[in-house]
Amino acid sequence: GAGVSQSPRYKVAKRGQDVALRCDPISGHVSLFWYQQALGQGPEFLTYFQNEAQLDKSGLPSDRFFAERPEGSVSTLKIQRTQQEDSAVYLCASSLARDLSYEQYFGPGTRLTVT
Amino acid sequence: GENVEQHPSTLSVQEGDSAVIKCTYSDSASNYFPWYKQELGKRPQLIIDIRSNVGEKKDQRIAVTLNKTAKHFSLHITETQPEDSAVYFCAAYPRRFYFGSGTKLNVKP
Repeated sequence: GAGVSQSPRYKVAKRGQDVALRCDPISGHVSLFWYQQALGQGPEFLTYFQNEAQLDKSGLPSDRFFAERPEGSVSTLKIQRTQQEDSAVYLCASSLARDLSYEQYFGPGTRLTVT
Repeated sequence: GENVEQHPSTLSVQEGDSAVIKCTYSDSASNYFPWYKQELGKRPQLIIDIRSNVGEKKDQRIAVTLNKTAKHFSLHITETQPEDSAVYFCAAYPRRFYFGSGTKLNVKP
């Protein structure tokens, strides 16, 4: 079946531009996570949704980062006024269960390069 | 918050040898410990996981051990093959997932 998909796969933005990254989770998956993965590092938690509710946004690095999942399926991560330090791969993951200690299925990621 | 440390950062083994990757964590509330394999340019994929009420779990050539007292857990890969070459990440879950910094495993044919 279809896995988690993300678009675009690659995004180049000039410093100061706004970007929007999309995540399509596996159908029926309740939980959705966003992670930031810098080169050579492990994924860093950004935010978590259970259905449409954003239950944890403590990992968002600044108020320039905003995420939404209005209908409890597709999610968008928006970064305003991008900075060079925002360059990273942004991973989305979804999970069937509300209990977070279950397998997450990752998308292929969006590689964001801010020039 | 939780702090997960992973080592070594790189590991090179000969095909057929075993590989061991170790992680430590700090939060005693952590109760779920997955391991992910990430090939270059690909998404992380779960290869094995263990919960805090279990000390060891095996799946064919892969095993994970957990020592709750010492707060460390390890990934063991036996009879390594070139296709095992990838970056491996450990993670710990107390309320949300914290990942280690990764181990780049190179299996030489």
